[in-house]
Formats: sequence, structure tokens, C-alpha cells
Amino acid sequence: DVVMTQSPLSLPVTLGQPASISCRSSRGLVHSDGNTYLSWIHQRPGQSPRRLIYQASKWDSGVPDRFSGSGSGTDFTLKISRVEAEDVGIYFCMQNTHWPPTFGGGTKVEI
Amino acid sequence: EVQLVESGGGLVEPGGSLKLSCAASGFTFSNVWMNWVRQVPGGGLEWVGRIRKTNQGATADYVAPVKGRFTISRDDSTDTLYLQMNGLKVEDTGVYYCTNNYDADYWGQGTLVSVSS
Repeated sequence: DVVMTQSPLSLPVTLGQPASISCRSSRGLVHSDGNTYLSWIHQRPGQSPRRLIYQASKWDSGVPDRFSGSGSGTDFTLKISRVEAEDVGIYFCMQNTHWPPTFGGGTKVEI
Repeated sequence: EVQLVESGGGLVEPGGSLKLSCAASGFTFSNVWMNWVRQVPGGGLEWVGRIRKTNQGATADYVAPVKGRFTISRDDSTDTLYLQMNGLKVEDTGVYYCTNNYDADYWGQGTLVSVSS
């Protein structure tokens, strides 16, 4: 299975300041159809997960543009340009290029 | 608005069975693949399996730890996804989410499965 490694595990942030989370995969994530199936998922405390970014850099509906995804191959990054209070929680990266889909261990973002 | 509502979780002894349901609305259920993902104690996420569209044979894929014990099915007439879990093990404990589409676009609120004696 593809191993997804996130860093850092914990990320203390300051409101209004930028933040960045890294995700590295053990195999390249370009699918045979040409797409890169790397998603970023956010889970607020006590809530179910919500996808923010798909195919490495595309925004899901309703996601604020302070979030951005980038990267290719095996290295990917989620950036928050200016952290807001509602951004706390755990962020997971997920690959769905190779079966089975696998998740990173999560990055806990706290103010 | 897309809604996915899971139900059927509960406490079961090792070796027991449970059947989870996921009622879908807000999208054309028959047109999409559907998935089950679980969140284990400690917070990690694990894919359980997926089912293709009915016009693709509604075939399913499972991760190794559940293969042969779990069965995913779908009923396009009622927009409902199912997960039949047999031979449950303590390590199957977790919150089970259904998600829609190939890339898990939306997630339900989850249903808790506890396997313990």
C-alpha cells in the first residue's frame, strides 16, 4: 500500500498568520488517466471529515480561497494564507491513485 | 444539497454481525461509485471498500483486513448504500462513514461500531 507521511504532526498557529502542511507519498500519484488523486481533508473537533482540496490543487465547493493545494509526484502541500479560528482541527491527506486509497496520519492544527 | 446519513451501528461481540446503511440524497446516486471509510480509535482514517455503479456491475473492492468478511451493496431504487459486516473483530471498532463518488467528495456524519466482549 502507498504510505502517506504528513508533517508536522502538530501545528500551533497564530490567527491571521500563514500555515503549511506537507504530505509525502511512497509512490508517485499520477494516475494512468493523467490525474493526480491527492486530496486534503479537514475534520473539526466533533465533526465528520470534509474534503477541501481534490486532485492536488482544486477547491471543493464553498472552500475559502485562503486554502490552497500544490505539489506533484510524491510531494504535496496544503497552505492556509491567513489562519482563522474555524480552521482548527485535524488535516489529512489522502491518495486515491493506487488501490487501496490511503491516508496520512493527520496534522493537528491548534491556535 | 448532498446528504449522506449512516445508521445501523452499535455494540456487538467479537464474531458477530452488523449491517450498516447509508441513505443518500442531493445527487444522482445511481451515477456514482460509493465508498465506506472508517475512523479508528486514535483518529486514523482507513478505507474499507467501494462499489461501482450498477451499470458497471456494482462490483466491489475491499481492503485486505475486511476482505471475505464485509460485503458492500447498493439499492439504486432507494438511494441506499449498505455494508454487511460479518465475523467482526475488536479491530473493526470505529466510526464508519459513507462517502460518494470515486474521490470521496462528501462524507456522512458516521455511525459508531463497537466490537467488544
